[in-house]
Amino acid sequence: EAQVTQNPRYLITVTGKKLTVTCSQNMNHEYMSWYRQDPGLGLRQIYYSMNVEATDKGDVPEGYKVSRKEKRNFPLILESPSPNQTSLYFCASSLFGSSYNSPLHFGNGTRLTVT
Amino acid sequence: GESVGLHLPTLSVQEGDNSIINCAYSNSASDYFIWYKQESGKGPQFIIDIRSNMDKRQGQRVTVLLNKTVKHLSLQIAATQPGDSAVYFCAEKKLSGGSNYKLTFGKGTLLTVNP
Repeated sequence: EAQVTQNPRYLITVTGKKLTVTCSQNMNHEYMSWYRQDPGLGLRQIYYSMNVEATDKGDVPEGYKVSRKEKRNFPLILESPSPNQTSLYFCASSLFGSSYNSPLHFGNGTRLTVT
Repeated sequence: GESVGLHLPTLSVQEGDNSIINCAYSNSASDYFIWYKQESGKGPQFIIDIRSNMDKRQGQRVTVLLNKTVKHLSLQIAATQPGDSAVYFCAEKKLSGGSNYKLTFGKGTLLTVNP
């Protein structure tokens, strides 16, 4: 089944403890992206990747890192999480980032709580 | 500034009725518009899209209308079913940074279908 898989689904951590949220897609998509979803603010892009070893900042990149060493994986790294990073995170992928009609496929989300 | 917004945050309809979800956008340079559906506990799911050079597109039970004169987008769902209950997001897509299509999401409308 074609899908975007995120892990974990739920994560509770403490301020400053490094964490990684994994994302994998099995559709051979070139483009991958991370979003956070907050009440009243909607979906905001954190980072995106046009292809392997090509990543760039989205609208809210502060406090996050990403890497794209392989086409299928796009982990989101929080080196020193803070409470304002408590949010619902979504990974998404599409065949191409440079094509207007390449729809995004989303994972089912990771609910992160930082205390 | 650019924005994608929604007229109504919630919409409640009776099963079998038609639903209309509205969206206003401010960036006339957007090339492409998409509607996503997000069910509870899941990531957004692509429903239907429309290019900026079109004013109407139909899918299965759904129709998207684009009025560029007033920068308005709507999603019509025919014979609404309980399974249509979800949050619906409009999104606009335009070229950003030369080669990347940036997707900007609206805040979402919660559709509740009453049996």
